[in-house]
Amino acid sequence: GAGVSQSPRYKVAKRGQDVALRCDPISGHVSLFWYQQALGQGPEFLTYFQNEAQLDKSGLPSDRFFAERPEGSVSTLKIQRTQQEDSAVYLCASSRGVTGQGLYEQYFGPGTRLTVT
Amino acid sequence: GDSVTQMEGPVTLSEEAFLTINCTYTATGYPSLFWYVQYPGEGLQLLLKATKADDKGSNKGFEATYRKETTSFHLEKGSVQVSDSAVYFCALSEETSGSRLTFGEGTQLTVNP
Repeated sequence: GAGVSQSPRYKVAKRGQDVALRCDPISGHVSLFWYQQALGQGPEFLTYFQNEAQLDKSGLPSDRFFAERPEGSVSTLKIQRTQQEDSAVYLCASSRGVTGQGLYEQYFGPGTRLTVT
Repeated sequence: GDSVTQMEGPVTLSEEAFLTINCTYTATGYPSLFWYVQYPGEGLQLLLKATKADDKGSNKGFEATYRKETTSFHLEKGSVQVSDSAVYFCALSEETSGSRLTFGEGTQLTVNP
């Protein structure tokens, strides 16, 4: 079946612009994660959804970052007033399980590379 | 908090050489451990995992053993191929932290023919 898809794959934004990054998880996957990967670094956790509920947003670096998953499927990560330090690859992952039922494999999308100029 | 430390890279080997990539971790609880691989131009893929002490994860000739006493999960392969060239990430996950993954910084592996 189809894997996790993300769009756009590349985004160039001028400093101060707002951006929206989309994630389409694997159909039926309950859990959805967003990670930020700076150049040459490992991914870092941003936020986690279980269905439409955002259960953990402790990794969001500032209040300029906002994520939603209104119908428990597609998710959007929005960054307001982008700054140069927001330049990174944003990864989305989904898994079929939920916390408390054991650990389930996370399937990653290809990522969106954001460059803020 | 949880953290993962990988050996500094990059690593360059000749084909058929033995590979070891070191990984150690710090965790508050009893985590599950993973190795992910990122091939050029592709997304992260799970390579192998281990969920309890002394478990050995294996896949595609790669192996790693969960060592609780040394808090380590070193990745090994007996004979690397050019197609193994990629970035390798060690990671951990705990249910108490919502199953999110904590990654190491990654190790770039280049295998020359």
